[in-house]
Amino acid sequence: AQSVTQLGSHVSVSEGALVLLRCNYSSSVPPYLFWYVQYPNQGLQLLLKYTSAATLVKGINGFEAEFKKSETSFHLTKPSAHMSDAAEYFCAVSTGFQKLVFGTGTRLLVSP
Amino acid sequence: GAGVSQSPRYKVAKRGQDVALRCDPISGHVSLFWYQQALGQGPEFLTYFQNEAQLDKSGLPSDRFFAERPEGSVSTLKIQRTQQEDSAVYLCATIDYDDEQFFGPGTRLTVL
Repeated sequence: AQSVTQLGSHVSVSEGALVLLRCNYSSSVPPYLFWYVQYPNQGLQLLLKYTSAATLVKGINGFEAEFKKSETSFHLTKPSAHMSDAAEYFCAVSTGFQKLVFGTGTRLLVSP
Repeated sequence: GAGVSQSPRYKVAKRGQDVALRCDPISGHVSLFWYQQALGQGPEFLTYFQNEAQLDKSGLPSDRFFAERPEGSVSTLKIQRTQQEDSAVYLCATIDYDDEQFFGPGTRLTVL
């Protein structure tokens, strides 16, 4: 079975500060890993994905994530937060491009 | 259309009523997924179609939940005799073979 743990239901940063959202996964087979963002009353939008190629993955809006097998982690980072980054972020795992298993989400709050 | 659409966007039902939620996929997308997202939680997998075939329905919480995709395009998720615990956002996602899942905006179901 696969699972994802997101540490911290809420993360607060100041505008311009580093964003770090944590995700640890459990999988018995090589995983595919994803980060999605959800704005209020909208569907999920893919930020980036890891599919066993490069371990450092760059996504949209300046986000990136690094797959670390030894730590079973796939943390999401952005060097400088923007007010428009305030949203809910979900980490997800799957076997190939199949059904996704999501974490419980982390709400990112950005203050001026 | 350009993306996945879902209707209605909001549905209020009295306990015991039947509801039908519709998903219009991206044209030509073979695979379709339904997820349930309870308040404050990540989406949870309900069921999966490849064309008109329902290949996985392991996530459907009870026999009151039924999904169909008769012509391999539009899908309907039906919930019979709704209960308060069915209140959630129901998300539809589609993919074209091996690719990312594109999500619709969801249907927010409130059961009174």
